[in-house]
Amino acid sequence: GDSVTQMEGPVTLSEEAFLTINCTYTATGYPSLFWYVQYPGEGLQLLLKATKADDKGSNKGFEATYRKETTSFHLEKGSVQVSDSAVYFCALSDPPGTYKYIFGTGTRLKVLA
Amino acid sequence: GAGVSQSPSNKVTEKGKDVELRCDPISGHTALYWYRQSLGQGLEFLIYFQGNSAPDKSGLPSDRFSAERTGGSVSTLTIQRTQQEDSAVYLCASSPPGLATDTQYFGPGTRLTVL
Repeated sequence: GDSVTQMEGPVTLSEEAFLTINCTYTATGYPSLFWYVQYPGEGLQLLLKATKADDKGSNKGFEATYRKETTSFHLEKGSVQVSDSAVYFCALSDPPGTYKYIFGTGTRLKVLA
Repeated sequence: GAGVSQSPSNKVTEKGKDVELRCDPISGHTALYWYRQSLGQGLEFLIYFQGNSAPDKSGLPSDRFSAERTGGSVSTLTIQRTQQEDSAVYLCASSPPGLATDTQYFGPGTRLTVL
C-alpha cells in the first residue's frame, strides 16, 4: 500500500540556518503531495502542495519539489526563524483529490534564537 | 472566521468506559474527517462524512468505534469499552464543498488517555 516516510526529529537549528526535512513516498498511482505544519497548541495547517512531477510548492519561504524519479518531496527553507518551530507532516493523496490522506510520522523542528 | 473546534481538549478515562469526542466543523463545510494520531505514528484515517452520503467507515479499527454526524454539521466519535491502546490524539478536519478535498482544515485535537 501507499506510505510516506519522513526523517525523524527532533531537528534543532539556529535562527537563519538552512532547513531540509526529507520525505519519500511509495504510491500505486500518481499522488498529490502535501506538507502540513502544526504549531504548538494548534491544528494542522496546509503549508504547501504539489500535484504533478517537477511542480514546486511554496509558502512562507518554504519550498518542496515533486520528484517522481526519486519519489521524494523534501521540504526546504533558506533561513529559518524561531516562529517556524513546529511539527511538520508530509502527506499524500492517491488518487489525487481523495480524502484519505497518508501521513508521515511528523518531524519536530526547534529553532533557537 | 472560526476554525474547526473539538471538545474536550483532554480526556482521561478508565479502561472499559465509553467516551464521546465532539467536532464542530467550519460552518458551510460539507466534508468531515476523523483521524487518530498515536504516539510516534502518523495520522491514521478513521472515518469520512460527505454531505448526506453514507460515511466511509473503512478506517475504524474495531466495532468499538463509531461516529455520527447530526444535521450535516457536528460530529461525535464514540469509543466503547475503551482500551489502553486507544490512547491517542483524535483529530477532526473539514473541507468545503466544490473544492477538491485536497485542503482539509484541522481542529486542535482531543488527547485521550485510557488508564
